[in-house]
Amino acid sequence: DAKTTQPPSMDCAEGRAANLPCNHSTISGNEYVYWYRQIHSQGPQYIIHGLKNNETNEMASLIITEDRKSSTLILPHATLRDTAVYYCIVSGRPGNTGKLIFGQGTTLQVKP
Amino acid sequence: GAVVSQHPSRVICKSGTSVKIECRSLDFQATTMFWYRQFPKQSLMLMATSNEGSKATYEQGVEKDKFLINHASLTLSTLTVTSAHPEDSSFYICSARGGFPTDTQYFGPGTRLTVL
Repeated sequence: DAKTTQPPSMDCAEGRAANLPCNHSTISGNEYVYWYRQIHSQGPQYIIHGLKNNETNEMASLIITEDRKSSTLILPHATLRDTAVYYCIVSGRPGNTGKLIFGQGTTLQVKP
Repeated sequence: GAVVSQHPSRVICKSGTSVKIECRSLDFQATTMFWYRQFPKQSLMLMATSNEGSKATYEQGVEKDKFLINHASLTLSTLTVTSAHPEDSSFYICSARGGFPTDTQYFGPGTRLTVL
């Protein structure tokens, strides 16, 4: 599985958009980009995933560059409850055996 | 949908005893479940992949005789930490693959194990 690089920490003002970047320059053609977050002392929460098209759901938007070497997770209106560690993971398609290998993630601190 | 539960949420045991942790997919069938371990201030580390009806596949460095995994049904996997020692104290998290939106992995809330 391709490795990902994320900044270790970011701050965001409450109510503003949080843009979390992820580099995955060695991603292969059949690998998806997954985003999870972990709030302190809880299990990770699924956010969104995509292959090459931009994706949006009720939680966030995922923007994947055309060359697929990087992506950005966007939380449109961050709240204090969005403070968490965000993990960007590259793995096989859903339904495949694809294991999720977690890196260090980005700690997002949403401030009032 | 796509809810995964774990039991117990917290357990304290004496050194040398065995502890069983249950992972259940509540509203979907999971052919594959995964077990992770997380030490304080560290990321999740995958321990093993569990497929219903077959033997678990362990990651390199994980002792299969110490961490026994059973996946007897499509909604239940168990992790037994045998002869637990203080260094096994950790946060154990399971995930199950399936459900909505498209066969994604969903995680349980975790089990905090403390070995005295």
